[in-house]
Amino acid sequence: TQLLEQSPQFLSIQEGENLTVYCNSSSVFSSLQWYRQEPGEGPVLLVTVVTGGEVKKLKRLTFQFGDARKDSSLHITAAQPGDTGLYLCAGSTPSNYTGANSKLTFGKGITLSVRP
Amino acid sequence: ETGVTQTPRHLVMGMTNKKSLKCEQHLGHNAMYWYKQSAKKPLELMFVYSLEERVENNSVPSRFSPECPNSSHLFLHLHTLQPEDSALYLCASSQGQASYNEQFFGPGTRLTVL
Repeated sequence: TQLLEQSPQFLSIQEGENLTVYCNSSSVFSSLQWYRQEPGEGPVLLVTVVTGGEVKKLKRLTFQFGDARKDSSLHITAAQPGDTGLYLCAGSTPSNYTGANSKLTFGKGITLSVRP
Repeated sequence: ETGVTQTPRHLVMGMTNKKSLKCEQHLGHNAMYWYKQSAKKPLELMFVYSLEERVENNSVPSRFSPECPNSSHLFLHLHTLQPEDSALYLCASSQGQASYNEQFFGPGTRLTVL
């Protein structure tokens, strides 16, 4: 069973601060995705990383995939209240079923609160 | 409508009721998913449909019954649920055979079982 551990579970910071959160596993994933979920809504895909060591930037968010494709980090620069939400990482592995998409395994998520 | 829609957004039901959740995707995808999201737990994959065929059933109790009449619609029929089934039920879709399983989620149905 693949498990994704996300840390920290909860983070409350002041507007303008920087932060880094983590997604770790003992399993290798073919790709890894980060989603953000706001209260009362479904998760929204932020980024997909595929290559070991890959770095992707989305405005003030920087995502990195570990060299061994087992872990990932998300760094937010100058956090804003609009960054508040639940951040989920999900690792992709091949499905057991022919013709089906690969399977996503989700972590429990990191609840981020950015205070004005 | 764009993206993935789900109805109803909120549902309260007794343990003896029968209800259905509906999901519709407007993205031209051919794979659809049901997930259960409970507090302090990872998203739990319940069912996967690819090209309208169920390809995965993750040991979900029979009181949950999925239906996929076409590639755009997915239903979850509920009957004789238990209070522990109270959760946010999320529907998602993706493009089958794509290299990366990028899933697009609906807003969810918040289910409360009394």
